[in-house]
Amino acid sequence: EIVLTQSPGTLSLSPGQRGTLSCRASQNITSNYLAWYQQKPGQAPRLLIYGASTRATGIPDRFSGSGSGTDFTLTISRLESEDFAVYYCQQFGNSLWTFGQGTKVEIK
Amino acid sequence: EVQVVESGGDLVKPGGSLRLSCAASGFIFSSAWMSWVRQAPGKGLEWVGRIKSKSDGETTDNAAPVKGRFTISRDDSKNTLYLQMNNLKAEDTGVYYCTTSLRKVLRYFDWHAFDIWGQGTMVTVSS
Repeated sequence: EIVLTQSPGTLSLSPGQRGTLSCRASQNITSNYLAWYQQKPGQAPRLLIYGASTRATGIPDRFSGSGSGTDFTLTISRLESEDFAVYYCQQFGNSLWTFGQGTKVEIK
Repeated sequence: EVQVVESGGDLVKPGGSLRLSCAASGFIFSSAWMSWVRQAPGKGLEWVGRIKSKSDGETTDNAAPVKGRFTISRDDSKNTLYLQMNNLKAEDTGVYYCTTSLRKVLRYFDWHAFDIWGQGTMVTVSS
């Protein structure tokens, strides 16, 4: 099983600031197989990024993904009020798919 | 409209059984690899398992915590996914989501992501 470790656990930022979220895998993942999701309280997750760096349909360009191998990053260039949520990375690298434990982005 | 709708969540005693259903519409269900993802109260997302399409062998894979207790199946004639949960434990409590990749159904090579999610159904395991 590939373990995904997200950091930090909580990110306290103000609107307009830049947010950088990390996702580290326990073994190499093909970039195509890494996705990022956003989840708000009481809602289902929403796909943000697939293939490590491609924005899903309708996702604003302030969200960007990067990385390869074992280290991946989700960047929110200028936080808006609706971006305060929990973010998860997920891998499809082998037959057992896994999620990271999540990073909560909260208002400072 | 592309959607999946879960049902069947309930309160069940430890050691009991429950079957969840997920009704799909708006896409070619028979071509989809379907997954269940759960979320314990206040916790993160956990992938439970997946069933491939019939054309890809209809094989299943389950996460270690549920292996041997949970079974995923599908009925393509009814566009419905199932999750049979046996020997339930308190730690199985949570919201269970049905999810899939529409991009895979549409045969994109870079399909690896869940772009369709249901609203979830709540399972509570308690005496």
